[in-house]
Order: sequence, then C-alpha cells, then structure tokens
Amino acid sequence: EVQLVQSGAEVKKPGESLSISCKASGYRFTSFWITWVRQMPEKGLEWMGRIDPSDSHTNYGPSFQGHVTISADKSISTAYLQWSSLNASDTAIYYCARQEATEADYWGQGTLVTVSS
Amino acid sequence: QSALTQPASVSGSPGQSITISCTGTSSDVGSYNFVSWYQQHPGKAPKLMIYEGSKRPSGVSNRFSGSKSGNTASLTISGLQADDEGDYYCCSYAGSFIWVFGGGTKVTVL
Repeated sequence: EVQLVQSGAEVKKPGESLSISCKASGYRFTSFWITWVRQMPEKGLEWMGRIDPSDSHTNYGPSFQGHVTISADKSISTAYLQWSSLNASDTAIYYCARQEATEADYWGQGTLVTVSS
Repeated sequence: QSALTQPASVSGSPGQSITISCTGTSSDVGSYNFVSWYQQHPGKAPKLMIYEGSKRPSGVSNRFSGSKSGNTASLTISGLQADDEGDYYCCSYAGSFIWVFGGGTKVTVL
C-alpha cells in the first residue's frame, strides 16, 4: 500500500528555520517524483515545487524559488521541505504528494506550520 | 505563471449534473493534455479524480468526467450526490517542469 506520512505540526517564530518531512512507503521511492503543495488558511492549493528522488533534481514555482528548499534522502525514502527564515505568511498546511507522470496520485496527510511571534 | 481561473462556487440538486470550468492560457491548458482534477473535503488531503484531461484513476466513480476545449478544461459531475460536496481544483502542466493550480471551486449540493 502506497503511503506518504508527513511530520507533525510545528509552531515557530519569525526568522526561525524549519524542515518538515514526508516519508514514503509501499513503492520504489526513486521511481516517482515528490511534489509539495501549500494551502494557506481558507485558501486554495498552490504548487510549490517537485523533486526527482533518483537524482535530487528540483523545480520550483516562481513564487517559491529562493524561499524554500526541497530535498530528498533516498536511503530512507524521505523528502523534505525546508525554510532558512520563516515569516508569518508561511503559515499554512503543506502537503507532499507522489507525482505519477503529470498528476499527484497519492497525498500525505498534511503538516500544519504556524509562524507567530 | 498565474493561477488557472475557476468559478468560486457551483451548486446543484441531487441527481443533477454540474460542470466546473478551468480556464488557462495557451502556455498551460491550451498547450498540454495534462490537466488533472482534485476533490478536497474539509480538513482532508486532496484526492485525484481525473488525470490527463479525461482519465479516471481506479476507484473513482464514472460520474466524474473531464474534457478540454482550447484553453479551458472542464470537470462534469453527473448524478450529483451529497458526498460530492467539497472543493475542486484543476491543475495543469505549464512547461519546464512547472505545474499550476486553479483557484478552486466550492461545490454545494442543494
């Protein structure tokens, strides 16, 4: 059974760093990309970027380039979304998803990140 | 890339059919047959309903169908049921390994 299990909710202060994770199981991790999607409070889905775990090649949406880093450790089938300096507008639910060619077919449960002073 | 344009809300009575539009540009929806649709219930993760414009994943009801004309993709839900209530998002490939979502449509079953 394909599963993507994300790390738990986080509460951070502005300026702090953060890394959230997405652990995959039930399939060959290097055979599918991992995509990250943001959902701000009461708002829609936004495509942030994706990583090919086989070679760690990444692509980012224009709004996210330079503000977040997507990485993966294929030895433990885990992808990461990282911030070096959070701000209040990063408050959102973040989803990881397995990308089968052109669509996201399996999703994680989401990680709520709250940034508040 | 700008978000794809969807109506904010669509409603229908049980048993009726509704259609949700998703308008992009010649750089995304119009150039590729790679539009997918997702259903999201409150507090839940999105669920894939349609991919590559008109294909249904295993387990998705055949009441859901997708199509495309020019720069606009559409999702039709026929035989509307109470459980179809929720938010629906389209997503299109936009070239250079970039994807873009629509703003989302709230479906209400009257």
